[in-house]
Amino acid sequence: DAGVIQSPRHEVTEMGQEVTLRCKPISGHNSLFWYRQTMMRGLELLIYFNNNVPIDDSGMPEDRFSAKMPNASFSTLKIQPSEPRDSAVYFCASSAPNTYNEQFFGPGTRLTVL
Amino acid sequence: KQEVTQIPAALSVPEGENLVLNCSFTDSAIYNLQWFRQDPGKGLTSLLLIQSSQREQTSGRLNASLDKSSGRSTLYIAASQPGDSATYLCAVRGGSYIPTFGRGTSLIVHP
Repeated sequence: DAGVIQSPRHEVTEMGQEVTLRCKPISGHNSLFWYRQTMMRGLELLIYFNNNVPIDDSGMPEDRFSAKMPNASFSTLKIQPSEPRDSAVYFCASSAPNTYNEQFFGPGTRLTVL
Repeated sequence: KQEVTQIPAALSVPEGENLVLNCSFTDSAIYNLQWFRQDPGKGLTSLLLIQSSQREQTSGRLNASLDKSSGRSTLYIAASQPGDSATYLCAVRGGSYIPTFGRGTSLIVHP
């Protein structure tokens, strides 16, 4: 299996621009997670989907952030408009009940907002 | 709300030492606990997963234990090597399956 796939791997944008991060979970996994990692705050859960339905989005910082999962093999995290404080590494992870819900992480997207 | 604490925050040891990393959590009603390794600039790699009904899991030189009643897990690394240098994170999944991560322990094993 290819593992969790994220794109782009690096993104540099200017304040005010829209940013879209993409994730393809492991085939057969029915749970998907978006995380943000910074030195200051560590690893924070932003949103958790189960069977394509958002279960918990209490970690989404504000209305500028939105996430979708239109089908079992694709999810997006969008930031509009972006701000310098959004600079971080964004990770996607997936899990499945038949593997004891072990989480597997993608390589991350390093976002820099100038 | 579940809180996960990892102690120590950083650790530096000579090669060959056996060492223990600690993870504590406030709500014992957990579904599972998972240990990860993160190398600088990289993603998280799963090391061990312990289900709530289990007491420990082993993989090679790694052994993870779980004591739900005391809200603790330990990761034991035997005969440490420079290649073990990384940040180690634990994550607890509660009854709602929502994961909570600790801040990690940064480990340096020097030759």
